[in-house]
Amino acid sequence: TQLLEQSPQFLSIQEGENLTVYCNSSSVFSSLQWYRQEPGEGPVLLVTVVTGGEVKKLKRLTFQFGDARKDSSLHITAAQPGDTGLYLCAGATGNTPLVFGKGTRLSVIA
Amino acid sequence: KAGVTQTPRYLIKTRGQQVTLSCSPISGHRSVSWYQQTPGQGLQFLFEYFSETQRNKGNFPGRFSGRQFSNSRSEMNVSTLELGDSALYLCASSLVAGGGDTQYFGPGTRLTVL
Repeated sequence: TQLLEQSPQFLSIQEGENLTVYCNSSSVFSSLQWYRQEPGEGPVLLVTVVTGGEVKKLKRLTFQFGDARKDSSLHITAAQPGDTGLYLCAGATGNTPLVFGKGTRLSVIA
Repeated sequence: KAGVTQTPRYLIKTRGQQVTLSCSPISGHRSVSWYQQTPGQGLQFLFEYFSETQRNKGNFPGRFSGRQFSNSRSEMNVSTLELGDSALYLCASSLVAGGGDTQYFGPGTRLTVL
C-alpha cells in the first residue's frame, strides 16, 4: 500500500514568515500533485511535478520533487493570511487512483 | 466552463438509513472519482468511473456503491448508514481515467449521520 506522510500536521505562523511543508513516501510516484483546500470547498490543484529534482515556482510558492520521486516539499515565502488552508499532496502512479497525504493545516495570522 | 457540481451540499441522516449523492462533472470529462474525507483519515479513495464502467475501487465495504450514467453524471449510494460514515464526500472529474490527469474537485457533500 502506497502511503504519503505529510509534516507538520498543523502550522500556525505570523504574516510575513516563511514555511516549508513536507510530503514523504517510501514509494516512487510518476508525478506528485499539490492541492489547497479552503473550508467548505473541494481541493484545488496548485501544481503537478513530474520529473525527479524538478522545481516549480508559483509566485511565492516553490514546489520541489525529490530526485528519487519519493518526496516533495512546498515552501511559502512571506506568508499571507490568504495562504491559510489545508495543503494536500497526492501521488500518482500510472492509471491507479491518486494517493493523498492527510494534509498540513496552515494558519497565517495577520 | 462550469465546474464540478455536487448535490446536495449538506445532508443529515440517521443510522440505518440510506443516502444517494450526485455529482455532475465538467463538460467533456468522462472520468469521475469519489473520495471520503474525514479529519482522522484524510482523503480516501472510494471508486472511479470512466465511460459508465467502474475502473478502480478503494477499500470500503459493499455498503458503498456507485454508478455513472451515459452523460458522465455519477451517483454514489451508501446503505445502512453508520455513525462513522459522517464525512465530507468529494467527487472529482478528469478527462481520462487514473490519477495522472488533473482532477477537478467539486465542493463536496457534508453527510452527518445521527
